[in-house]
Amino acid sequence: SQTIHQWPATLVQPVGSPLSLECTVEGTSNPNLYWYRQAAGRGLQLLFYSVGIGQISSEVPQNLSASRPQDRQFILSSKKLLLSDSGFYLCAWSADSLYNSPLHFGNGTRLTVT
Amino acid sequence: KNEVEQSPQNLTAQEGEFITINCSYSVGISALHWLQQHPGGGIVSLFMLSSGKKKHGRLIATINIQEKHSSLHITASHPRDSAVYICAVRGTSGSRLTFGEGTQLTVNP
Repeated sequence: SQTIHQWPATLVQPVGSPLSLECTVEGTSNPNLYWYRQAAGRGLQLLFYSVGIGQISSEVPQNLSASRPQDRQFILSSKKLLLSDSGFYLCAWSADSLYNSPLHFGNGTRLTVT
Repeated sequence: KNEVEQSPQNLTAQEGEFITINCSYSVGISALHWLQQHPGGGIVSLFMLSSGKKKHGRLIATINIQEKHSSLHITASHPRDSAVYICAVRGTSGSRLTFGEGTQLTVNP
């Protein structure tokens, strides 16, 4: 069966520090991978998605970046965090296009930038 | 106006009640997703549908493509159903989902 792992679960970082959140998927190959952010009291916002290794599409311009160094690994990074980067970050995968398959989420990372 | 509108924003029910959460959207879609977000933040996909009706246990999801409307029903509600229910639609091109802001459901014993 397929599983998705996302870590860490919580993170408190000072403004200006770097960020690295990692997500891995097991039990499937060539998944579509997604990073979402959910600000307090707000809906989910797509940050990045990837349909293959090294292929990253950015939905929202900001100081975050994403990389997919391996087929089932998706990393969200920042060189210098801002206060506005605080939020709940969710990694997700789907087997193919979202027309044909459901979305599976990791447990999320709650990031607080102080 | 948001592309995806959910109603109500908040819903409180007594255990056993029949619950309906509505989702209206303004764009052409290829699929609609219903998601459940638990208090800890984890999200589970409940349904993905593009037409008709789907049922899983006490949950039923319907969609009317012509009216651009979907409903999520919960029969015999239980306190463990308390969660945020999120509607999301995929447009007719691209991989992007557009999310509603969610409906907070609280079921009291």
